[in-house]
This record gives sequence, structure tokens and C-alpha cells, in this order.
Amino acid sequence: AQSVTQLDSHVSVSEGTPVLLRCNYSSSYSPSLFWYVQHPNKGLQLLLKYTSAATLVKGINGFEAEFKKSETSFHLTKPSAHMSDAAEYFCVVSDSNTGKLIFGQGTTLQVKP
Amino acid sequence: ETGVTQSPTHLIKTRGQQVTLRCSSQSGHNTVSWYQQALGQGPQFIFQYYREEENGRGNFPPRFSGLQFPNYSSELNVNALELDDSALYLCASSPGTGYGSGNTIYFGEGSWLTVV
Repeated sequence: AQSVTQLDSHVSVSEGTPVLLRCNYSSSYSPSLFWYVQHPNKGLQLLLKYTSAATLVKGINGFEAEFKKSETSFHLTKPSAHMSDAAEYFCVVSDSNTGKLIFGQGTTLQVKP
Repeated sequence: ETGVTQSPTHLIKTRGQQVTLRCSSQSGHNTVSWYQQALGQGPQFIFQYYREEENGRGNFPPRFSGLQFPNYSSELNVNALELDDSALYLCASSPGTGYGSGNTIYFGEGSWLTVV
């Protein structure tokens, strides 16, 4: 069975400092992995996706993630946090048999001025 | 802008009642799926439809049912509402078949359901 584990439920950074949101996955197959962001009272927005091409994936708003098979990780990073980055972030794996998305529990990113 | 529109945005129902939530997808998006997101949790897969037929279901009871129409709209119906059904219900669509990996999935902003 496929699953994702987000290692931090809450991350707090200062504006202008780097962001690291950690995600480990479990999959029997070569996985498709995604990061989604959810701002308060909003739906989910796709930040980036990995589908077995380049291991370093660039997304929107300066975010990127690196797929590391040896570590079964797909951590999300951003060099410099902005106040507007404060939101809930979900690491997601796609079930290769059904296409359904399996979400992690989410990481709340707080950005302090 | 994802091109996925859901209605209503908020509603309140009484335990035991029935509710219908609606979703309108982009033209060409043959796959639609529904997710339930309880407060403070990640979304949970309810079911998926491809070309008007259910082709995947999560761990939800039969009182959760759906329909998909040829015009790229869909419905989620929940009968005999329970207090634990209170959640954000998200509709998602994609141009793929729903199987396999890599298809970009677009989410609507959701319908907030409160059961009292």
C-alpha cells in the first residue's frame, strides 16, 4: 500500500529565511508525488509534481522538491519565505492502480515578520 | 483558477437528512473524484468516476453515492447524515482516465457541510 508521512505538523520560519517541509513516502512502485498548498478557507492548489522525470522538480512561487529514492523522501523547499506562503501544505502520492490521491496529514507553515 | 466549480460553498443540515453537492469541471475532464476533508486532517478519497461510471472507491459507506454527467458536471449525495459527516467536501477533476500516474488533478474550493 502507498502512503506518505509528513514529518512535521507545524513549521515556523521568519520571512526571508529558507523553508523545509519534510515528506517520506512508501510505495511499491515508482511513485507519482505531489505537493499541494491550501490557504485558509480555500481549495487545494498544485505546487509541483514528480512523475519519474528529473529528480529535482521546480514548482510555482519559488518552491521546489527533490525526489530521493534511497531515502524515500520528497522534501519541499524554498530559499526565502514570504508572508503569503503561510498555509497548509500536503504531500501526496498517487495510487498507481486507481489514480486516487493519498494525502499526508499536512504541515502548517507559519511565516513570522 | 482551476476551472472546477463547486456549489454550495456552505450549508448546514440536520442529522438524518440528505444532501447533494455539485461540481462542474473543465471541458474534456473525463475523470472526477470526491474527497472529504475533516477539520485539521488531510483529504480522504471517497470515490472516482470516469465517463459516468464509478471506477474507484475509498472506505466510505454506501450512503455516500455519486453521479457524473456527460456535460462534465457531477454530484455527491450523502444520505442519513451523521454528525461526523461535517467536513469540507472537495471535487477534483483531470483529463486522464483516472488510472496510472502523473495526471494533474485540479481541485475546486470545496463545499463546507455542517451537520447539527
